[in-house]
Amino acid sequence: GAVVSQHPSRVICKSGTSVKIECRSLDFQATTMFWYRQFPKQSLMLMATSNEGSKATYEQGVEKDKFLINHASLTLSTLTVTSAHPEDSSFYICSARGFWIWGYTQYFGPGTRLTVL
Amino acid sequence: KNEVEQSPQNLTAQEGEFITINCSYSVGISALHWLQQHPGGGIVSLFMLSSGKKKHGRLIATINIQEKHSSLHITASHPRDSAVYICAVTFPRYGNKLVFGAGTILRVKS
Repeated sequence: GAVVSQHPSRVICKSGTSVKIECRSLDFQATTMFWYRQFPKQSLMLMATSNEGSKATYEQGVEKDKFLINHASLTLSTLTVTSAHPEDSSFYICSARGFWIWGYTQYFGPGTRLTVL
Repeated sequence: KNEVEQSPQNLTAQEGEFITINCSYSVGISALHWLQQHPGGGIVSLFMLSSGKKKHGRLIATINIQEKHSSLHITASHPRDSAVYICAVTFPRYGNKLVFGAGTILRVKS
């Protein structure tokens, strides 16, 4: 199947710093990218949906100024956690939706574990 | 009531056993995904279905649109199959957003 990569896979930062997470679709064009976060033993929670070249749509309760999403190209989306605090520590997962061989499909990245000290 | 129900929540099997995980949903869907998440977090997309049956190696996924039900089967299970298996569905009224089941924690013992 298609591949979605995320970088970094793990990041530890100090409180107050900003962290950027990249999500790339490696062999297809992702018209839509989704960003999720997951707390231990819980299901994925959708944070925002972004379409290439337009502003992201955030889910209720997700601060758009805190979690900046940029989807500048059909293969790259970035999530920036601004002024990170310990409560932002979580597992962040992106997913890319695009046309792959026979039709539209959606693939997940491996995730980024963020720890804010 | 959750829109996507998975069963069982937990499953322990002996190596070599045939495993079935079930997923039911409430209304018509656009597509259904089966995902695998290993300890450590990374999610792997196993299948995307809108009808019929798909097979990849020892994994088989089926979907019955009329009954609003899908199954994921693992043949000749192995300890490396131990993971959380998640059913996720796109409903037309939610566009392309996925609605996730709670997941099934599978442990295969050697």
